Parts: sequence; structure tokens; C-alpha cells
Amino acid sequence: DVVMTQSPLSLPVTLGQPASISCRSSQSLVYSDGNTYLSWFQQRPDQSPRRLIYQVSNRDSGVPDRFSGSGSGTDFTLKISRVEAEDVGVYYCMQGTHWPRTFGQGTKVEIK
Amino acid sequence: EVQLLESGGDLVQPGGSLRLSCAASGFTFSTYAMSWVRQAPRKGLEWVSSISGRDGSTYYADSVKGRFTISRDNSKNTVYLQMNSLRADDTAVYFCVRGHYGLNYWGQGTLVTVSS
Repeated sequence: DVVMTQSPLSLPVTLGQPASISCRSSQSLVYSDGNTYLSWFQQRPDQSPRRLIYQVSNRDSGVPDRFSGSGSGTDFTLKISRVEAEDVGVYYCMQGTHWPRTFGQGTKVEIK
Repeated sequence: EVQLLESGGDLVQPGGSLRLSCAASGFTFSTYAMSWVRQAPRKGLEWVSSISGRDGSTYYADSVKGRFTISRDNSKNTVYLQMNSLRADDTAVYFCVRGHYGLNYWGQGTLVTVSS
């Protein structure tokens, strides 16, 4: 199975400051069709997860542009340019290239 | 608007069975793969199973293979998860999700508790 490793697992941030979460996969996530199926999800307290980013760097509809994704191969990053109070929650990366699908452990973002 | 509404979660004894349903609306159901993802209490997300839209191919996590069966009824816009031989570590909120390359719409989840 592809292991997805996130860091850090806890991320205290100051409002208005940037934040960055790393996600590394144990195998390349480039699929045979040339796409890289790496997604990022946000789960606010007591809510269902919501996808923010798909195929490494594409923002979903309605996602603020302060969220951005980057990376390639096995190394990926989610960045929040200026953290707002509504960004508190747990963030997960997930690979959709290999079976079984696997998630990272989650990174808890909280306000300092 | 895409909507996914799960049902069927309940308290069940170890070794028991349960069938979850997910009614979908707001998109052409038959053309999309569907998945189930679960979250144990205070834990992270775990992919459980997926079924393709085109040919009905199915995929399972090792932890549920042989015990869970995913299926779909495109005439009813519904995906199911039949869960047999339930164990305490199957206790979780089960989310119905559209897609399997990237899980872009999630339901609100249904709670399955396996306990005597």
C-alpha cells in the first residue's frame, strides 16, 4: 500500500500568517494517464470533509484563493497564504492513483 | 446541487450485519464512481470501498475484504454497503463520497456502532 506521510501533525498558526503542510507518498503518484491524483481535504470540527485541491494544484469551486497546492511525484504541499479563523480544522492529503486509496494521518491546524 | 444522503447506521452486535444506503441527487449518477470512507471516533479518514460507474468494478480495503460488499442501483441513484461479520473496530462514521480518483462530494455520514 502507498503510505502517505503528513507533517507536521499539529500546526499552531497566528491569524493572518502563512501555513504549510507537507505530504509525502511512498511511491510516485503519477498515473498511467499522466495525471497525478493527489487531493487535499479540510475537515472542520463536527463537519464532513470537504475537498479543497485535486490533482495536486487545482482548487475546487468556492475554495478561497489563499489555499494552494503544489508538488510532483512523491512530494506535495498545501499552503494557506494568510490563515483565517475559519481555517481551523484537520487537513488530509489522499492519493487516488493506486489501490487501495490512502490518506495521510491528518494535520490539525489551530490558532495560537 | 450534488447531494448524498446516507442511511442505515445503527448499533449492532459483534458478528452482526448492516446495510448502509446512500441516495444521490443533483448529478448523472450512473456516470460516476462512488466510494465509502469511514472515520473511527477521534481518528483519521480510512477509505473502505469504491465502485466504478461504467462497469461496476469494485475495490476494497484489506480490512473489509470478504466481509463488506459495495453495490449500486443506477435506476434508484443509490449506492449500498453491505457489512457482514462486523467487529468492534468497524465502529465509525461512514461517509458516502462521489468519485474515487478524487473524492469531491461527501455526505454527512452515518454512524455504525459495533458493541455488545
